[in-house]
Amino acid sequence: NAGVTQTPKFRILKIGQSMTLQCTQDMNHNYMYWYRQDPGMGLKLIYYSVGAGITDKGEVPNGYNVSRSTTEDFPLRLELAAPSQTSVYFCASSKPGLAGENEQFFGPGTRLTVL
Amino acid sequence: AQKITQTQPGMFVQEKEAVTLDCTYDTSDQSYGLFWYKQPSSGEMIFLIYQGSYDEQNATEGRYSLNFQKARKSANLVISASQLGDSAMYFCAMREGRSSGNTPLVFGKGTRLSVIA
Repeated sequence: NAGVTQTPKFRILKIGQSMTLQCTQDMNHNYMYWYRQDPGMGLKLIYYSVGAGITDKGEVPNGYNVSRSTTEDFPLRLELAAPSQTSVYFCASSKPGLAGENEQFFGPGTRLTVL
Repeated sequence: AQKITQTQPGMFVQEKEAVTLDCTYDTSDQSYGLFWYKQPSSGEMIFLIYQGSYDEQNATEGRYSLNFQKARKSANLVISASQLGDSAMYFCAMREGRSSGNTPLVFGKGTRLSVIA
C-alpha cells in the first residue's frame, strides 16, 4: 500500500494563477480531508468528503474548490492564487468508526508558495 | 472558542528524562476521540496514540502514554526516556464522533519539543 500520495511536492505560483493539488489513497477509505498548515501553526481544515460525490466545507474553504468523483481521489483546486495561500497542504484519509477511533493517515504534504 | 488548547509553545527536556505535553479540549459530545501526532522537521504527520472517550484505561504505545483526565478535559502526552529523535512538533487533535459517521480532526497549535543531549 502506498497510503496517501500527494503531487506535486513543491510548487511556486504567481498571483492569479490556478492549480490543482492531487491526492490519492489506496486504502479504500471513505473519508478524505484537506488541511493547510501555515508556518509555526497547527492544521486547519479546508474541505472534507465522506464519500464519492459528497463534499463539505471546513474552517477555511475560501479560495478553494474540491471534487470527489471516486473513492480514491480528492483533488484540491486553487483558483486565482493569492499570497495568503502560501502554505503546506496536507491531504488525509480515514475509515469511518464509532466514537471517532480511527486515525487519519496523512500524505507527505505539498509546499506551495504564491509570489 | 478553541476546541483544542496546547499551552506550551515550546518545551525542553534532557535526554533519557520523561516529559509531559499538555492538551485540553472542549466538547459537549459524549463520544469523541483524542489523538496525538508528531511532526518532525521533515514535515510528515506521524500518528502516535489514540484515546477514546469511553476508554477506562489510559492509552499506551511504547514510550508514549496518554494521561486522560475526562473530568478536567485534559489529554496530556507523556514521553518516557526521551531520545534525540523525539525532537519535533507535537499536535493534539480531537474528533467528535457521531453515530452517523466521523467529523474531521481538529488540531491544536502544537508544542515544539527539543531534546537536549
